[in-house]
Parts: sequence; structure tokens; C-alpha cells
Amino acid sequence: QERLEESGGGVVQPGRSLRLSCAASGFTFSTHAMNWVRQAPGKGLEWLAVISYDGTKTLYADSVKGRFTISRDNSRNTLYLQMHSLRVDDTAVYYCARVWWQYQLLEAFDYWGQGSLVTVSS
Amino acid sequence: EIVLTQSPDTLSLSPGERATLSCRASQRLSSSSYLAWYQQRPGQAPRLLIYAASSRASGIPDRFSGSGSGTDFTLTISRLEPEDFAVYYCQQYVNSPWTFGQGTRVEIK
Repeated sequence: QERLEESGGGVVQPGRSLRLSCAASGFTFSTHAMNWVRQAPGKGLEWLAVISYDGTKTLYADSVKGRFTISRDNSRNTLYLQMHSLRVDDTAVYYCARVWWQYQLLEAFDYWGQGSLVTVSS
Repeated sequence: EIVLTQSPDTLSLSPGERATLSCRASQRLSSSSYLAWYQQRPGQAPRLLIYAASSRASGIPDRFSGSGSGTDFTLTISRLEPEDFAVYYCQQYVNSPWTFGQGTRVEIK
């Protein structure tokens, strides 16, 4: 069955970088757009970025534009989020999420990973 | 940016009762096809319930239904089951940045 598993989270100092990975299995990864969404402790959901199925199109939230980069390796069935210049308010659980309809960007997210906690603290 | 405002913030109901959750967009969505609802239980990832405003996702019980268009959308749970007490979010994915509402918590009265 479809599965997404995030990794790479942890504690990092302000101003440093971190890369999250999301390993996909149980479906044809290369035909689905993918997203990153985060949730600060006790807060709601914040969409961060989307990447098209083939990696040619990306969109970002203003809060991370220029600091975070979404990418994918379809040969490895893996999604990435490279995060630079991390701030204390980037502390959150980071989820990867699949767009449910193949090849589409503008669709809802049907499968989510369990999340990876990133804590930015000195 | 499209702001989604959900109401109420908290809904206190008993099992078996009907729940009506509202989501209002700050500007008209160009198509209701781009509005989704998610459920999040404590310690779990969100779960897609409704997409395109009124279509149930795979495996979602028919006690969940969505409606609305333009700027006003509604999620209805016809008869609350114990596992339905959770936080619910609406989301638009037509205008970047995609945005979520702040959430409505459905709690046991």
C-alpha cells in the first residue's frame, strides 16, 4: 500500500541548514506531484511547497521562499526539502504529502507521512 | 493570499449528534473544485476527507459530506461517532500559496 516516510529531522541551531527526505513506496512516485506541509507545536497546518510530478514546476509559501528548496529524485522515489537559514519559528513537524490525482498540481493531498520533527534552538 | 476562516473554533457535541463546520474564504474561489477538508486526530497526520468541495475521498464513511461554493463551504458529519472527535481543517489549492483554515476542534460534550 501507499506509504510516505520522512527522515532527517532533529535539533539544529538558528542559521544552520537541514535537509529532510521523504521516501515513497507502494505507488508510482514519478506520476504524482508532492508537497511539504508543517505544523508548529500546538498550531495548525501550514503549506510550504509543491513540486510537479516531473520536477519542472515548483511553488512556495512566502514564509520559506528563498530559504527552502523542494526537489525530487524519481529514480530513488524520494522527495526532499533543503532548508537554509533556519529560524526558531521554523520549529515544527514537517509532513510530506501526495497529490491524489496523477500528473496534476492543483489537487488535494491523499497520503501523508507521519512527520519529522525539526527543532531550531540554540 | 486567500485566507480561510473556520467557525466555530470549537464545537462541543455528543456522540450521535450532527456537526456542521464552516469555512469562509476571503475571496471567491475560481472553482469549488479546489476546496478540501481534512481530519487530524491527536498525534496523527491529517487525513483527506473531502476534495472538490463535495467529493468523498476513498474509504471515507458517508456520514461525512461537503457542500458550498464561492466563498462559503460546509463540512457536515451527520451522526458523530467516537472516532470523529478531532480537529478539522479546510484547504484551498487553487491560488498559490495554498492555504489552510485555522481548524475547528470537535470535542465531546
